[in-house]
Amino acid sequence: SQQGEEDPQALSIQEGENATMNCSYKTSINNLQWYRQNSGRGLVHLILIRSNEREKHSGRLRVTLDTSKKSSSLLITASRAADTASYFCATSSRVGGTSYGKLTFGQGTILTVHP
Amino acid sequence: NAGVTQTPKFQVLKTGQSMTLQCAQDMNHEYMSWYRQDPGMGLRLIHYSVGAGITDQGEVPNGYNVSRSTTEDFPLRLLSAAPSQTSVYFCASSTRSEQYFGPGTRLTVT
Repeated sequence: SQQGEEDPQALSIQEGENATMNCSYKTSINNLQWYRQNSGRGLVHLILIRSNEREKHSGRLRVTLDTSKKSSSLLITASRAADTASYFCATSSRVGGTSYGKLTFGQGTILTVHP
Repeated sequence: NAGVTQTPKFQVLKTGQSMTLQCAQDMNHEYMSWYRQDPGMGLRLIHYSVGAGITDQGEVPNGYNVSRSTTEDFPLRLLSAAPSQTSVYFCASSTRSEQYFGPGTRLTVT
């Protein structure tokens, strides 16, 4: 079963607005990562936040992690039409031996940014 | 660096046929993984490897075999294709943090 649940499933905004996506997970994690997937393409890594971190920034991206609530959010500020894609959270779990090379993905949020 | 390469890009199989999806990476990563992505869903882990000669099952391993004889290559074998295996397959290699994904193989089983 999927570890992460993402909310909303789809988000439609205007260029220049901020986009916020949320992710919840079930088990203890080593880290949580966000990936972007353009239609018909492979996934591209955006940002990683470790379990002992609460917030991380990378350019227009801001990720928060609340391990007590087992949730994370991805904020994209000043969105652009080129940000249109699907966004997935993925967790690296402490459960079941090594966590390396094993990610559990959420179902994703489809973001559409209108010019 | 080419990164992670996958072949073929597209494949159509008949039920019962077997085939191998190829995956190669040139980043000298220890960890490699195979995922499948079905419409409207995230990726689900099929098999993974923590180094040459070492593989283990993921969430949905049934109907698939893997081997890892070299650091670079991690082929995925479909033993007897079924329509339920129609999906897009992604290979990934990783450090101990982020994963690098190949472009995917779109497989249809009729």
